[in-house]
Amino acid sequence: AQKITQTQPGMFVQEKEAVTLDCTYDTSDPSYGLFWYKQPSSGEMIFLIYQGSYDQQNATEGRYSLNFQKARKSANLVISASQLGDSAMYFCAMRGVVTNAGKSTFGDGTTLTVKP
Amino acid sequence: DTAVSQTPKYLVTQMGNDKSIKCEQNLGHDTMYWYKQDSKKFLKIMFSYNNKELIINETVPNRFSPKSPDKAHLNLHINSLELGDSAVYFCASSPSWGSGHTEAFFGQGTRLTVV
Repeated sequence: AQKITQTQPGMFVQEKEAVTLDCTYDTSDPSYGLFWYKQPSSGEMIFLIYQGSYDQQNATEGRYSLNFQKARKSANLVISASQLGDSAMYFCAMRGVVTNAGKSTFGDGTTLTVKP
Repeated sequence: DTAVSQTPKYLVTQMGNDKSIKCEQNLGHDTMYWYKQDSKKFLKIMFSYNNKELIINETVPNRFSPKSPDKAHLNLHINSLELGDSAVYFCASSPSWGSGHTEAFFGQGTRLTVV
């Protein structure tokens, strides 16, 4: 089985500041991927960033970085220099390679609001 | 050129009707999925297909019947629609069954409203 927990239903951040969205996970898979998706009010799912379970370095994509702490089973998303367009729902997800292949498990999401 | 496309984008129908949602991907992926996002925005896997074969059925009522005529298409047919079926349904694909290290590509979603 695999499980994703996002404990922050809603977060506020001031424009141009950094924000961290929390994600913890649990899985029985020896190898897995962790993903963050953004869902704006228009409804589409936008892939942001990926971290592999064996990656030694934290992933970065532009203003997004993933703070991966394998021993703590956490994969927090850090958004630097927040913009108004970052206001959206953010989902942490994972997919295994062996036991949990074939399905992504999503957390409940965090709604981020960026204040001007 | 849309990678994963779903039709229709919106669907409003009466209780008891039968409806279908179509999904096509042009990425050459082997694995396709249906997800349901409820009114609280929770996303749950419904079905996973690999090379046209149903592999995962997450205790979905048998009123829901997916069909994959080829590995580029995965359709979802729903019989005897109920109010509780109102949700956004997402189709997605990924390169292969064990590709846990590659993101899934999502369609734009189909908002189903049952009245």
